[in-house]
Amino acid sequence: ETGVTQSPTHLIKTRGQQVTLRCSSQSGHNTVSWYQQALGQGPQFIFQYYREEENGRGNFPPRFSGLQFPNYSSELNVNALELDDSALYLCASSLVGGGTDTQYFGPGTRLTVL
Amino acid sequence: AQSVTQPDIHITVSEGASLELRCNYSYGATPYLFWYVQSPGQGLQLLLKYFSGDTLVQGIKGFEAEFKRSQSSFNLRKPSVHWSDAAEYFCAVGALGGADGLTFGKGTHLIIQP
Repeated sequence: ETGVTQSPTHLIKTRGQQVTLRCSSQSGHNTVSWYQQALGQGPQFIFQYYREEENGRGNFPPRFSGLQFPNYSSELNVNALELDDSALYLCASSLVGGGTDTQYFGPGTRLTVL
Repeated sequence: AQSVTQPDIHITVSEGASLELRCNYSYGATPYLFWYVQSPGQGLQLLLKYFSGDTLVQGIKGFEAEFKRSQSSFNLRKPSVHWSDAAEYFCAVGALGGADGLTFGKGTHLIIQP
């Protein structure tokens, strides 16, 4: 059984650019959630995808968008990057309807915006 | 709105001593509570979770936590810490099947003295 994987590990972009981060769910999971963790802070919920649709969203602007694919992998896209977007982006997968919905996290992608 | 408070930003404990990390939550419905640990530059690892039943839950690495509804608390304990326990610890609250993701505290940084 493989865990949650994310790519790339690190990424450097300049302000105004666009970025795509990728996540592969843990085997058997059907839901993916994305979180942003700024330095020295706890993770903040961006959005959740279930059955290829966004079914929940935190307090993030529309330039943060995502996709979930039939194999339950997911992408996070951020347009018009701002300096404050520099953070660790964490993906978590879970099995909704499995009774516990426990979220298991990947190692994260460190995004630096210059 | 739901929230999690971890009152201690830093805690220093001698190796072999006992540990208690505090967590208080505010949640309108039945809370589902989690403790995660994060080593530097890494993702989050689940230590333990509480959904229902016995209010004292056991986790990995010798950790346990006790849910006290009357105090809105979910404190993490370990009887004897090891140098490898040095890390950042996050308490989180969420809902079963909830599409609003997990709400995390700001974390407690645990330092182990030799």
